[in-house]
Amino acid sequence: QSALTQPRSVSGSPGQSVTISCTETSSDVGGYNYVSWYQQHPGKAPKLMIYDVSKWPSGVPDRFSGSKFGNTASLTISGLQAEDEADYYCCSYSDSHVVFGGGTKLTVL
Amino acid sequence: QVQLVESGGGLVKPGGSLSLSCAGSGFIFSDYYMIWIRQAPGKGLEWVSSITSSGWTKFYKESVKGRFTISRDNAKQSLYLQMNSLRAEDTAVYYCARLNMAYYYGMDVWGQGTTVTVS
Repeated sequence: QSALTQPRSVSGSPGQSVTISCTETSSDVGGYNYVSWYQQHPGKAPKLMIYDVSKWPSGVPDRFSGSKFGNTASLTISGLQAEDEADYYCCSYSDSHVVFGGGTKLTVL
Repeated sequence: QVQLVESGGGLVKPGGSLSLSCAGSGFIFSDYYMIWIRQAPGKGLEWVSSITSSGWTKFYKESVKGRFTISRDNAKQSLYLQMNSLRAEDTAVYYCARLNMAYYYGMDVWGQGTTVTVS
């Protein structure tokens, strides 16, 4: 069973860029596929922001971008806006099981 | 519009049972895998269970195997989660979501959540 590790918090000022990492820690290397990212505002349901590592669902601004190198996926948010302040979760779908990272709280200063 | 609406949450004593429902609308429910995800108070997201589009194959988080049962009725466009032998650690907001193959198993539609309190 894999685990996904995210930083607990990141912060940035409006207009800046921030990157949230998501590292798979597992002996099962190679199963870290189908990575997606979700944004969750307090009291709200999560929202899909990135799928398949780096693709955007319709309606998501391209200020949000995803990448992956080795066992670490990353979400980069450019041109930070106040409404980007939220919790962000990475997620991996593998062998019909879903694993979420612990979540990262983004604070816009 | 495309939406999912959960119902059935509530307060239950340890060892009790609860049945959650999730009604889909605005899309062809039978085309999609569906999933239950929960979030304990102040905690992160946790996968609970998922089911294939036909309902034939089901998957569970280890800690709920034997206690929870996922099912669906495509004719009613509905997803269910029967929860038995509930424990305090099952206390959470439970979300249903649609797994979209076009989005490489991204969960692109979520319900608003229903709260389960075991106490």
